[in-house]
Amino acid sequence: GAGVSQSPSNKVTEKGKDVELRCDPISGHTALYWYRQSLGQGLEFLIYFQGNSAPDKSGLPSDRFSAERTGGSVSTLTIQRTQQEDSAVYLCASSLGLKNIQYFGAGTRLSVL
Amino acid sequence: AQSVAQPEDQVNVAEGNPLTVKCTYSVSGNPYLFWYVQYPNRGLQFLLKYITGDNLVKGSYGFEAEFNKSQTSFHLKKPSALVSDSALYFCAVRGMNRDDKIIFGKGTRLHILP
Repeated sequence: GAGVSQSPSNKVTEKGKDVELRCDPISGHTALYWYRQSLGQGLEFLIYFQGNSAPDKSGLPSDRFSAERTGGSVSTLTIQRTQQEDSAVYLCASSLGLKNIQYFGAGTRLSVL
Repeated sequence: AQSVAQPEDQVNVAEGNPLTVKCTYSVSGNPYLFWYVQYPNRGLQFLLKYITGDNLVKGSYGFEAEFNKSQTSFHLKKPSALVSDSALYFCAVRGMNRDDKIIFGKGTRLHILP
């Protein structure tokens, strides 16, 4: 079956522009996570969604970052007024529940010039 | 608060030798523990997990990990390393509370030398 799909795979943008990153989780997975992986760094938790519960936004680095998950499926991570330090690989993962294995997408590599 | 530590940024091992990648954790109560691997230009892949039961967990590609409650560790091991094992390895932990989320370590880069 299909895995976690992320688009675009690469995004180059100019400083100050807004970007939207999309994640299509595995069908039926109730939990969805966004992470950021910077060069030489580990995984930085950003936000997660679990079913109909309010999302845990505790990892979002600033109010320029937001995410939504429509209909319990597709999620969009939006970064407003991008900065060069936002350049990283943004990874999405989904799982059947919070204690289950996470399945990761290939990521979106964001480059802010 | 939950935390996970991978004390080594990089581990170098000669091909054919045993390898260990270290991980320690802190959670309230019993943990759920995971290892993931990231090959170059790829997403993370699940290797193995400990939920309950035997302390020695076997996973993909010949890897195993041992849960040690007294030392709060979950080190990843393999008896004989392959060059193809060279990758970035992440340890992750989650507590059993409903609102707990999975926390990842910073990762350890494993280099297997031919």
